Amino acid sequence: DVQLTQSPTSLSASVGDTVTITCRASQSVSTYLHWYLQKPGEAPQLLIYSASTLQSGVPSRFSGRGSGTAFTLTISGLRPEDFGTYYCQQSFNTLLFTFGPGTRLDIK
Amino acid sequence: EVRLAQSGAEVRKPGESLKISCEASGYNFGTYWIGWVRQLPGKGLEWMGTIYPDDSDARYSPAFEGQVTLSADKSTNTASLVWATLRPSDTAMYFCVRVDYGIDFWGPGTVVTVSS
Repeated sequence: DVQLTQSPTSLSASVGDTVTITCRASQSVSTYLHWYLQKPGEAPQLLIYSASTLQSGVPSRFSGRGSGTAFTLTISGLRPEDFGTYYCQQSFNTLLFTFGPGTRLDIK
Repeated sequence: EVRLAQSGAEVRKPGESLKISCEASGYNFGTYWIGWVRQLPGKGLEWMGTIYPDDSDARYSPAFEGQVTLSADKSTNTASLVWATLRPSDTAMYFCVRVDYGIDFWGPGTVVTVSS
């Protein structure tokens, strides 16, 4: 199975900051890597799919990069609604998806 | 508008069976894979498996193979997750999801509590 790791595990940031979260895969997943935000008490929402494509309706302050085994999600100009837990997820292993452990983003 | 409506919270005793459901609307139910994701209390997301409603082809994550059964009914646009024998460790939130490029739609989740 493809294993995903995320760093950092958690971070604190202020409104207006720029933050970057990293996701690494145990083997190449090409660009079959997606990013989600889960706010407390809610279902996750898709932010970025296929490593770098912004999901419809997601603000342009979110961006994704990477391919193979290393990926990043960057949020430029944090807003209060951006706080929560971010997960990466791979779909290279067809229909046997896996999620990263999550990165919790808190308000400083 | 795509919508995944999930059945309500359930409380069961260990050893009992359970079926939770996910009714899809706003798109052609038969032509997108439907998946299930487990979230243990205070923990991360776990992929359980997926089913293609058009032919009921189901694929299970190794950790859930033999533990649950996925089904889909095209006549009612409904996917289901079934346990034959519940354990306390099955206590969790369960999300049904639509699979496209990534998981583009999520249901609100069904809380399952298994306790004696």
